[in-house]
Amino acid sequence: GQQLNQSPQSMFIQEGEDVSMNCTSSSIFNTWLWYKQDPGEGPVLLIALYKAGELTSNGRLTAQFGITRKDSFLNISASIPSDVGIYFCAGLNAGNNRKLIWGLGTSLAVNP
Amino acid sequence: DTEVTQTPKHLVMGMTNKKSLKCEQHMGHRAMYWYKQKAKKPPELMFVYSYEKLSINESVPSRFSPECPNSSLLNLHLHALQPEDSALYLCASSRETGGIQETQYFGPGTRLLVL
Repeated sequence: GQQLNQSPQSMFIQEGEDVSMNCTSSSIFNTWLWYKQDPGEGPVLLIALYKAGELTSNGRLTAQFGITRKDSFLNISASIPSDVGIYFCAGLNAGNNRKLIWGLGTSLAVNP
Repeated sequence: DTEVTQTPKHLVMGMTNKKSLKCEQHMGHRAMYWYKQKAKKPPELMFVYSYEKLSINESVPSRFSPECPNSSLLNLHLHALQPEDSALYLCASSRETGGIQETQYFGPGTRLLVL
């Protein structure tokens, strides 16, 4: 099935560093979602983006809906140990508002 | 409140057992979803209910049987599962606006082990 290209696959950073990850697609999306998942838990919605060019913040997190509607990025500023987890991007195509298309995830490790 | 609850948290079952997973949401959402997730992979869609009717079945084997008793509840009945069915099973819900801005909210999942 269709997948988003999410990068990087994994990151190892020092506490306090900023983090950036992104997702790209060959097709246009109407919605971009960013989730964080801890081991053994369900994905938790971090940020939802609905308009091309939209820039949205949630605390130390900032995400943008690319102007071409084919990409999105997520930035985390001043990382802390509890930021550890897997971050997934997901999108919805035009005309399909139920089946999320997922990236393969970015695994983040933070060294205190 | 964006809470989706799931029970049980963990489940161990034999291949001849029958068990059920339960999901509940009180956000007034009219679409509910079942996903299967293997370790370090994104969730895979199994079923979607819209207004209590099954609208999507992603060619899931019949040993998985979904049920939506009302708009707040979603069940997944399990029978004669195989060891490869061991996974994290996630429930999600969304408003079902019929248009864009259809954000899915996930429950904590049920960790299933089939022996």
